[in-house]
Amino acid sequence: KAGVTQTPRYLIKTRGQQVTLSCSPISGHRSVSWYQQTPGQGLQFLFEYFSETQRNKGNFPGRFSGRQFSNSRSEMNVSTLELGDSALYLCASSLALGTDTQYFGPGTRLTVL
Amino acid sequence: SQQGEEDPQALSIQEGENATMNCSYKTSINNLQWYRQNSGRGLVHLILIRSNEREKHSGRLRVTLDTSKKSSSLLITASRAADTASYFCATSNQAGTALIFGKGTTLSVSS
Repeated sequence: KAGVTQTPRYLIKTRGQQVTLSCSPISGHRSVSWYQQTPGQGLQFLFEYFSETQRNKGNFPGRFSGRQFSNSRSEMNVSTLELGDSALYLCASSLALGTDTQYFGPGTRLTVL
Repeated sequence: SQQGEEDPQALSIQEGENATMNCSYKTSINNLQWYRQNSGRGLVHLILIRSNEREKHSGRLRVTLDTSKKSSSLLITASRAADTASYFCATSNQAGTALIFGKGTTLSVSS
């Protein structure tokens, strides 16, 4: 069974631009979560989607948004990029809400210049 | 904000030695999990221990949980060079499956 895939793997943007990252969960998994990883703040939860609805949200500004499609694929969008948004963005999928184990993708490395 | 805090931040050992990492957390939990991350890649789930369990084994891994002290430890026995990675503990928040991670322990195993 294929694992979680994320595209693109690497991305370079400039301040003020916007970016969209994509995540395809493991087949059959319906819950998708997003995390941001930076050297300073570590791994932080962004949001979680299940059945096309955002179920849980971390403490990030409204510039960070996401959505989930009917096939469980998810996208996250960051608008008006700031230098501090440079990070590794990780997507994780799980069978359903309340399922403990999450399976992570390889991440998208975003660099904001 | 971080829930778990790992200790030590970095650990260097020789192949064949055991590696012990500790994690402390602040609030009550449903379960605690350990993940491994190789050089800025995705995280790999290692083991999950529930709040009503005290010890769990998986291959060369042994995890303990002390809810009275709000702490957990991960023991890797007979370490190999391939164990070189960062190790994170994570707890589930009450709202759902969102994981709250510590800052991790960087383990370096030299041959």
